[in-house]
Amino acid sequence: DSGVTQTPKHLITATGQRVTLRCSPRSGDLSVYWYQQSLDQGLQFLIQYYNGEERAKGNILERFSAQQFPDLHSELNLSSLELGDSALYFCASSSRPGQRSTDTQYFGPGTRLTVL
Amino acid sequence: AQTVTQSQPEMSVQEAETVTLSCTYDTSESDYYLFWYKQPPSRQMILVIRQEAYKQQNATENRFSVNFQKAAKSFSLKISDSQLGDAAMYFCAYRTLVPSNSGYALNFGKGTSLLVTP
Repeated sequence: DSGVTQTPKHLITATGQRVTLRCSPRSGDLSVYWYQQSLDQGLQFLIQYYNGEERAKGNILERFSAQQFPDLHSELNLSSLELGDSALYFCASSSRPGQRSTDTQYFGPGTRLTVL
Repeated sequence: AQTVTQSQPEMSVQEAETVTLSCTYDTSESDYYLFWYKQPPSRQMILVIRQEAYKQQNATENRFSVNFQKAAKSFSLKISDSQLGDAAMYFCAYRTLVPSNSGYALNFGKGTSLLVTP
């Protein structure tokens, strides 16, 4: 158990809908990263938040957005869903205060999203 | 952007034997971090081992060790005394020390599927 939790585990929805994925980082971690794992694109970085602020962006679609709350949990919002958005979405956390920037990312169990 | 290549889509090993998974990467940086993550059928991403580029000594974690060849930009994972529970997809990942637009995000290879036979 990495200490990172994600809910829900599975999500089935229809095209055009909007969903919210939730992530709670390891206790004390300030950074949250979101990754998408699909069969054709592999594991891709979407976005990072550090202590409530957006820190970096990867290949995230404009239909997707995220935020990190004062209690450090994060939510990834996916809207106007398309069939191609079906994937496994991972959250990872790192960066405890006092640690060097070289620390390791620990992954949650993922949320499997199926768009029908 | 740094690219990570895993040239072996699938590998097979017998229980108790040793197997080596290959990974190469492309970077112009002198300092960086490399990781191997394991993804079993449960889909959980589990850290196996990490290597700091400035360290000449190869990292070791129990039955898992790496062969880090910085000049060749090669980072292979050796699994000794393979066990049935080692069957999984293995991903090699690169992490920069200098945050770019992608911050400290991990760049992953496509993965190698490891089958362990009794």
